[in-house]
Amino acid sequence: AQTVTQSQPEMSVQEAETVTLSCTYDTSENNYYLFWYKQPPSRQMILVIRQEAYKQQNATENRFSVNFQKAAKSFSLKISDSQLGDTAMYFCAFMKYASGSRLTFGEGTQLTVNP
Amino acid sequence: NAGVTQTPKFRVLKTGQSMTLLCAQDMNHEYMYWYRQDPGMGLRLIHYSVGEGTTAKGEVPDGYNVSRLKKQNFLLGLESAAPSQTSVYFCASSYFSIAPLHFGNGTRLTVT
Repeated sequence: AQTVTQSQPEMSVQEAETVTLSCTYDTSENNYYLFWYKQPPSRQMILVIRQEAYKQQNATENRFSVNFQKAAKSFSLKISDSQLGDTAMYFCAFMKYASGSRLTFGEGTQLTVNP
Repeated sequence: NAGVTQTPKFRVLKTGQSMTLLCAQDMNHEYMYWYRQDPGMGLRLIHYSVGEGTTAKGEVPDGYNVSRLKKQNFLLGLESAAPSQTSVYFCASSYFSIAPLHFGNGTRLTVT
């Protein structure tokens, strides 16, 4: 079975600064996908970024980028130029290839962006 | 385009009562899922379905049943609610096996 660990329950950052959220996972699979989801106070789960394990290039979506280290089983999320609207719970998630889109989630990191 | 809709949004039950949570999607997605979210534990998969008429157990299926009689609907039932089932329940759907999930807005269930 896969496990996903987010070791930072809470983090805070000043507006316009950069913050990195950590995620590690454990799997024996070679083909898989990794995701970061954002959950603002509205409770809606929003996909932030996705990484395919077979791709060496790190995924980027505007201010959001990842540092994917396959050998170390590490998948961190970097948020640049933090905005107040980035305040949310962030979940790292793992999906095994051909698993029917079943996600295994980490415990979450509550990020607060301060003005 | 409503996406994934969950009904109800909030519910309070007494121990031993039963209820059904309804999830409806209008995106013609094949795959549907029920997750529960508890503080400090992320989201955990309860049951899922890979197509109309099919269901399968996830990580934490005990105390829950599901049905997928129509492609667009996925029902989660609690036959005899327990306080341990107090949680926020999320439904999600996806078009195919490796597609990103679309989530509903959640149902907050409290069992007293």
